[in-house]
Amino acid sequence: NAGVTQTPKFRVLKTGQSMTLLCAQDMNHEYMYWYRQDPGMGLRLIHYSVGEGTTAKGEVPDGYNVSRLKKQNFLLGLESAAPSQTSVYFCASSYPGGRGNEQFFGPGTRLTVL
Amino acid sequence: AQKITQTQPGMFVQEKEAVTLDCTYDTSDQSYGLFWYKQPSSGEMIFLIYQGSYDEQNATEGRYSLNFQKARKSANLVISASQLGDSAMYFCAMREGLTGNQFYFGTGTSLTVIP
Repeated sequence: NAGVTQTPKFRVLKTGQSMTLLCAQDMNHEYMYWYRQDPGMGLRLIHYSVGEGTTAKGEVPDGYNVSRLKKQNFLLGLESAAPSQTSVYFCASSYPGGRGNEQFFGPGTRLTVL
Repeated sequence: AQKITQTQPGMFVQEKEAVTLDCTYDTSDQSYGLFWYKQPSSGEMIFLIYQGSYDEQNATEGRYSLNFQKARKSANLVISASQLGDSAMYFCAMREGLTGNQFYFGTGTSLTVIP
């Protein structure tokens, strides 16, 4: 099993450009999450999904959109990138129960917005 | 107010010694979960240990144990017999609610194990 994978691993954007980050999991997990990690600030939840076709806002949703058309995929979109969105983005998945809804993380995507 | 507070930006420990990483949390929920994750320099997030708010005993996973003091709202991670491979960032996190999906992470503690 590949677990949680993220595409791409690195990306550089210019201000105003758009892009989509792809997260895929092969563990048949119900729940999926997108986080951003900034220096000195830990991880902050952007959006999450509790099932196919459903999404919800997290702590820092502004400037991002998400979609979960298939259970195994969770897409994070930036419609008009800003330098403040320079960060490392992590995707995670989990299933109900388990060890407290333990999250399995992808390797991260490093995004730089110039 | 911060949901998770980790007051130790950096810690050093001698190899084979034990070390405690501090974490306090803030929630009004009766049901919640507490987690510790490890992030090595390679960047991935590795689950270490989980404690539910109704668990009466402290959680243990191998060399990791969680010192859960509910009244003080603290969930400290204890690593026994430190190894060089334990050098990493450590994050405390909380999930509010019995089956909630909102997770909150602390700012992390950088642990360095000295040979």
